[in-house]
Amino acid sequence: GENVEQHPSTLSVQEGDSAVIKCTYSDSASNYFPWYKQELGKGPQLIIDIRSNVGEKKDQRIAVTLNKTAKHFSLHITETQPEDSAVYFCAATSGSARQLTFGSGTQLTVLP
Amino acid sequence: NAGVTQTPKFQVLKTGQSMTLQCAQDMNHEYMSWYRQDPGMGLRLIHYSVGAGITDQGEVPNGYNVSRSTTEDFPLRLLSAAPSQTSVYFCASRRGIRQPTEAFFGQGTRLTVV
Repeated sequence: GENVEQHPSTLSVQEGDSAVIKCTYSDSASNYFPWYKQELGKGPQLIIDIRSNVGEKKDQRIAVTLNKTAKHFSLHITETQPEDSAVYFCAATSGSARQLTFGSGTQLTVLP
Repeated sequence: NAGVTQTPKFQVLKTGQSMTLQCAQDMNHEYMSWYRQDPGMGLRLIHYSVGAGITDQGEVPNGYNVSRSTTEDFPLRLLSAAPSQTSVYFCASRRGIRQPTEAFFGQGTRLTVV
């Protein structure tokens, strides 16, 4: 099955700096790569996603890049703010029902 | 529009007890799934369903049962609770199967087995 590895597990940045979280996946048939943000005590919420026919996607301060050849994708957050502090998960789809396999998560802390 | 609703939010069980975690969605989504979240391990898929009457196992199905008698509901049953099942459980739903789309998550159920 699919295996998704995520790094780093923790990341601290100063407010206004950029943050980058990286993921690799194993199944070359995966074609959908979402990123979720989880705030304390809540369920994960989608912040951005990318499909395999696109190399980059941007939404305001958030961008995702995908390198299918190398099987890795990254989340970029620019001009970080304290409210960006949360746990971020990458995921990839696999299997006949396109099940989501998640990375282990990154705790992002934005220091004021 | 409530989205995905999970009950209860918190539960303490004794080893060997059984219980059902409830999940309901009001978005007419075909696909529903259950995950457990443990520290440092992300979310791991327990069971999923691609439509009413159809269920399948995920990565960590042992000790859990599911059923899908309606499109809206997807309960998760713990048959005989064990301390290893202490975790936070999330139910999720999404519209499509062939073309993956956004998955919507419930607020979670924090389960402690003593």
